[in-house]
Amino acid sequence: GESVGLHLPTLSVQEGDNSIINCAYSNSASDYFIWYKQESGKGPQFIIDIRSNMDKRQGQRVTVLLNKTVKHLSLQIAATQPGDSAVYFCAENFGNEKLTFGTGTRLTIIP
Amino acid sequence: EAGVAQSPRYKIIEKRQSVAFWCNPISGHATLYWYQQILGQGPKLLIQFQNNGVVDDSQLPKDRFSAERLKGVDSTLKIQPAKLEDSAVYLCASSPIDSLNEKLFFGSGTQLSVL
Repeated sequence: GESVGLHLPTLSVQEGDNSIINCAYSNSASDYFIWYKQESGKGPQFIIDIRSNMDKRQGQRVTVLLNKTVKHLSLQIAATQPGDSAVYFCAENFGNEKLTFGTGTRLTIIP
Repeated sequence: EAGVAQSPRYKIIEKRQSVAFWCNPISGHATLYWYQQILGQGPKLLIQFQNNGVVDDSQLPKDRFSAERLKGVDSTLKIQPAKLEDSAVYLCASSPIDSLNEKLFFGSGTQLSVL
């Protein structure tokens, strides 16, 4: 999940469809993962988190899936709405050490 | 509940000048964080306070950056002298004592442009 460059991966989804945002994290020992949503001009906003003893967690319209075998995290957003357009970041940590954020994915909802 | 407050929202300075950012965390949150977010990247931790003590400043460029949280509430981050590469959004975040480095609450940030 380390930042690797200046160009954000992008994902465009039709309004009402489901979207899946993926994240490859870097530390196999990480035991806590979190997704944030960042709208233009605002700070990151908490969406959902998951610990390494789980492989799935659901919230309101969102689901996070964790695959520790391949160090992969995904965020599923159901029935996307225009307000879901934002940059989405995954972050990880181990043992309450500092959160390490990924590069982010820009999600655009097409009306 | 009031969120994390930051000021100013924008700042434009010339290189070699100094600048300061202010943050007031959510009431009762013991832990305060300063993050730097360069355009197109995720936030990177600069410094973390627990009450008025520093927990982690390993990524703070201490030759030019300094931060304090004297009374364990609000905090100031200073850059002196600024360089072009300091252009970024500086985000302040806070969390309660029982969620250290987990669910952080972020402010809207200060966008710094160094010319």
